[in-house]
Amino acid sequence: EAGVTQFPSHSVIEKGQTVTLRCDPISGHDNLYWYRRVMGKEIKFLLHFVKESKQDESGMPNNRFLAERTGGTYSTLKVQPAELEDSGVYFCASSRAPAGVREQFFGPGTRLTVL
Amino acid sequence: RKEVEQDPGPFNVPEGATVAFNCTYSNSASQSFFWYRQDCRKEPKLLMSVYSSGNEDGRFTAQLNRASQYISLLIRDSKLSDSATYLCVVKANDYKLSFGAGTTVTVRA
Repeated sequence: EAGVTQFPSHSVIEKGQTVTLRCDPISGHDNLYWYRRVMGKEIKFLLHFVKESKQDESGMPNNRFLAERTGGTYSTLKVQPAELEDSGVYFCASSRAPAGVREQFFGPGTRLTVL
Repeated sequence: RKEVEQDPGPFNVPEGATVAFNCTYSNSASQSFFWYRQDCRKEPKLLMSVYSSGNEDGRFTAQLNRASQYISLLIRDSKLSDSATYLCVVKANDYKLSFGAGTTVTVRA
């Protein structure tokens, strides 16, 4: 079974630019999550999709971040405009339903650097 | 206050040694507890769930103390391949994982 994949693996952009991260969950996993780790801090929850619906986006830092999961398959996370403090590693995870009892499998992450 | 606090280490131990470390969590309503392992520049991977009665998985033993809101991990007979960052993870609701910052373990030959 293929794991969670993320693209790109690395992205270096300048402050004010836009970046879009993509996550392909494990096939058949209805639940998709975004997390991020900023320098020196712990991994933090950003949001949770069930199929195409956002269940919880309480962890999204501000309205510069927009996540979508059209069709309930892959998801994108767009940062517009990017700021220096957005630098970090963005992880995507997925799990089968129901979310409460299923292991979350993580992708390798996208390392974002904002200059 | 952080949701999950961990001793960052590093713990530097020889092969064959026993190493133990712990974490505390702030939300008394937390329902599920885990240890994840993360290798350098890789994704976190589930090492083991932690149950109230304590549980073992080979050389790894996890303990949970709900009254003290404390979770521990003990690694016996350390191998070089055990070198990694160990993340204490707590789930307060059905899906949201709260991570500690990680404890770094280095096993030397």
